Amino acid sequence: SQKIEQNSEALNIQEGKTATLTCNYTNYSPAYLQWYRQDPGRGPVFLLLIRENEKEKRKERLKVTFDTTLKQSLFHITASQPADSATYLCALNTGGFKTIFGAGTRLFVKA
Amino acid sequence: GAVVSQHPSRVICKSGTSVKIECRSLDFQATTMFWYRQFPKKSLMLMATSNEGSKATYEQGVEKDKFLINHASLTLSTLTVTSAHPEDSSFYICSASVTGGGFVNTEAFFGQGTRLTVV
Repeated sequence: SQKIEQNSEALNIQEGKTATLTCNYTNYSPAYLQWYRQDPGRGPVFLLLIRENEKEKRKERLKVTFDTTLKQSLFHITASQPADSATYLCALNTGGFKTIFGAGTRLFVKA
Repeated sequence: GAVVSQHPSRVICKSGTSVKIECRSLDFQATTMFWYRQFPKKSLMLMATSNEGSKATYEQGVEKDKFLINHASLTLSTLTVTSAHPEDSSFYICSASVTGGGFVNTEAFFGQGTRLTVV
């Protein structure tokens, strides 16, 4: 069956460090992968999209990698700040506009 | 970015009653909207795809008679939870993708979500 897996345990890091979140998937061949941020009680907010032919994508302090051989994406936040604390969701498109989400990883950045 | 407005943000209703949730695209037209349900610390589960002017497409295991979806215009989709039960209590979120206008049509814009509590 198709699966998207993200670290279920929360990630705690110190302010200023780099946070790295992992997304693994099985039985998919997605054309692209997306990362979203979700704050408690709010809808997700789009952050980055990376296509299958792209190895890396950057946006300000964010960096995403996509390894279609390993079926894995890594999401990095450099120089992390307490305001970066949130749940980060990995999402795959399964055809048309239909998107499937991972359960998310909760990030806590301590000042 | 494009804005999707969802209303209400919170609702409490009695068992057996029906609740309507609205999802509006404020500055773009959305021929397709999506309805998700999310349990605490769980992923968003796609319930149905709402298509303007036609019937919604429901995911396996989602009761279409229980979760009525209407997409009567290019800017509004509604989800009605009929004969609500406590187990329907959840966080419901809608989304829409933008086509054209310089947007990447794969990027989804989400509403703020609706916290439904059935007592």
